[in-house]
Amino acid sequence: QKEVEQNSGPLSVPEGAIASLNCTYSDRVSQSFFWYRQYSGKSPELIMSIYSNGDKEDGRFTAQLNKASQYVSLLIRDSQPSDSATYLCAVNQAGTALIFGKGTTLSVSS
Amino acid sequence: DTEVTQTPKHLVMGMTNKKSLKCEQHMGHRAMYWYKQKAKKPPELMFVYSYEKLSINESVPSRFSPECPNSSLLNLHLHALQPEDSALYLCASSQSGAVYTDTQYFGPGTRLTVL
Repeated sequence: QKEVEQNSGPLSVPEGAIASLNCTYSDRVSQSFFWYRQYSGKSPELIMSIYSNGDKEDGRFTAQLNKASQYVSLLIRDSQPSDSATYLCAVNQAGTALIFGKGTTLSVSS
Repeated sequence: DTEVTQTPKHLVMGMTNKKSLKCEQHMGHRAMYWYKQKAKKPPELMFVYSYEKLSINESVPSRFSPECPNSSLLNLHLHALQPEDSALYLCASSQSGAVYTDTQYFGPGTRLTVL
């Protein structure tokens, strides 16, 4: 059974701090890794995709992938109250469906 | 442009009704997906269409019937639903129809309530 694990949270950080969201996956041959943000009652919105080991930065967001440890993370710098949402980690390999973690709820206090 | 549109936004139906959900994308994507999402749960895959052909059916009850009339349009026909089918129904699309490693872009969803 392929699994994607996330700490459900809530993760609470003050405004301006760095939020660190973590995700582990069970299938070693996974190839593609995604972070989606989902506000309550809304649909998932892509934040980052990452395919190779290392860091990928986009604005205040940095995704980190370590395939040897089967670990992917998302760092949010200078967290804002508008970042408060559920963050879904998703993983797949060629020819298979996207597998979602249960999501981590982030709360940024002003 | 990475827009996937869905109609209607909200739908309330009785258990004997027949209704349809519609999804559209004009990005030239060759794979389209239906997901069901209950509150505080991740999306659950229902169906995948690849090059307009059904390629994955995740053992979904027959009261849900997908249809892909063309490469831009995906429908989900609903009949004799149960109250437990109430959920957010999400459509997504991705560029390649052959390899599911592509990024999936989600539509805004249809909030379905079955009375």
